[in-house]
Formats: sequence, structure tokens, C-alpha cells
Amino acid sequence: RKEVEQDPGPFNVPEGATVAFNCTYSNSASQSFFWYRQDCRKEPKLLMSVYSSGNEDGRFTAQLNRASQYISLLIRDSKLSDSATYLCVVNPNTGNQFYFGTGTSLTVIP
Amino acid sequence: GAVVSQHPSWVICKSGTSVKIECRSLDFQATTMFWYRQFPKQSLMLMATSNEGSKATYEQGVEKDKFLINHASLTLSTLTVTSAHPEDSSFYICSARPGLAGGEQYFGPGTRLTVT
Repeated sequence: RKEVEQDPGPFNVPEGATVAFNCTYSNSASQSFFWYRQDCRKEPKLLMSVYSSGNEDGRFTAQLNRASQYISLLIRDSKLSDSATYLCVVNPNTGNQFYFGTGTSLTVIP
Repeated sequence: GAVVSQHPSWVICKSGTSVKIECRSLDFQATTMFWYRQFPKQSLMLMATSNEGSKATYEQGVEKDKFLINHASLTLSTLTVTSAHPEDSSFYICSARPGLAGGEQYFGPGTRLTVT
């Protein structure tokens, strides 16, 4: 079983829509969770960390469900500029190893 | 803050030559840096963890004699692809972590290597 699994999509949504991605992880002792955004042929950029209590940053909301071992990212009022691949990243312990999901592709359509 | 640079951003080389890629943390010190490789439409794959002042830790299946890593200072790590072959053509990305273990990483802009 992979350490981190994501639905690759693609998700094609109209502008203004709300879209949600889930990501499951296999190691129940995982400590840190992140969502990164990667544009085509560019490096990943940190979108937000995911905290146990859930956190929100503008139109983006991240949540952690430890019991079911998944994290989610909700994007409200989608913009054309949100089109990208969203990577789920999990650090299974306090060490250096990070595990990346394969990414979920989002295209926001005018 | 938390800016990571890479150089070069794009390189084409002939088969059999070596290519050095630099990764720098511009506004913070990084005891640990990471080197990733990404093939088209695939996820990032960690190649090695670079530790300042000590040997790098390579992931399974990554040849340490082919991908030489040097982390000579707290702001610079280099990856040298030795005797490059066309199958080494890929997008190489480094990252660094400004804070404690388990914290977020910041990525360099990547180096696109094409071996002809």
C-alpha cells in the first residue's frame, strides 16, 4: 500500500464552483500534513499546512481526520487561477522523510 | 522569506558528460536539503537527503556514485549527475526546511535536464 494516495482526477469544474480533494495516508502515527500546489513545469509551492483542528485560509479549508486517516482540501468560489495540480504531503514522523501523493489535477473552466 | 534557488534552471548535455546542479537557501540556513526527481505526469520522487557536513542518505534504487551530493555549507547543496544518459533526463527539484524536523519544505524552481 502506498504511503499517500490521492485521486489523480482530473477535476474539471466551472468558475465559482466548490471542489474538494481527499488524500489518505497509511501510517497512523503521521505527524505533519501539508497541501502543496504545483503548476505545470514548475516547482511545488506550499499552499497550507493542515492542523488537527482544521484551518482556513481565504477560500481554502484544510481538514484532518485522524480516525479515518485522511486529509482534505476544500476550495470555494473557484478561480481560473486555481487550475493546477494539488499535492498531498505527509510526514510520518518527526524525521526528514516526506511522502508525496501523485497529485490531483484541477482545471477551472470559464 | 524561505526562498530557495536552483541553478541552472535548464540544461542540455551530451550523453556521458556530468552536470552539476546547485541548490541554495537564500534567507535561511538549512541543515537538511532534499533532492527530488520528477518525470512527466508523475509525482516527485525523493532521491536523497542531503545533510550539511555529512554524507547524504540515498533512497533505495538511487545510485550514490551516479548522483553525487555535496552539502558543504548551511545554504548550499549540490547534485552532480555523473556520466549522464538520456534516461536521466528529468526535472530535478531541491527543497530545504527552515525550521524543525517535520515542518514544511520550500522548493527550488527546479532544473530541467535533457541528455541527448
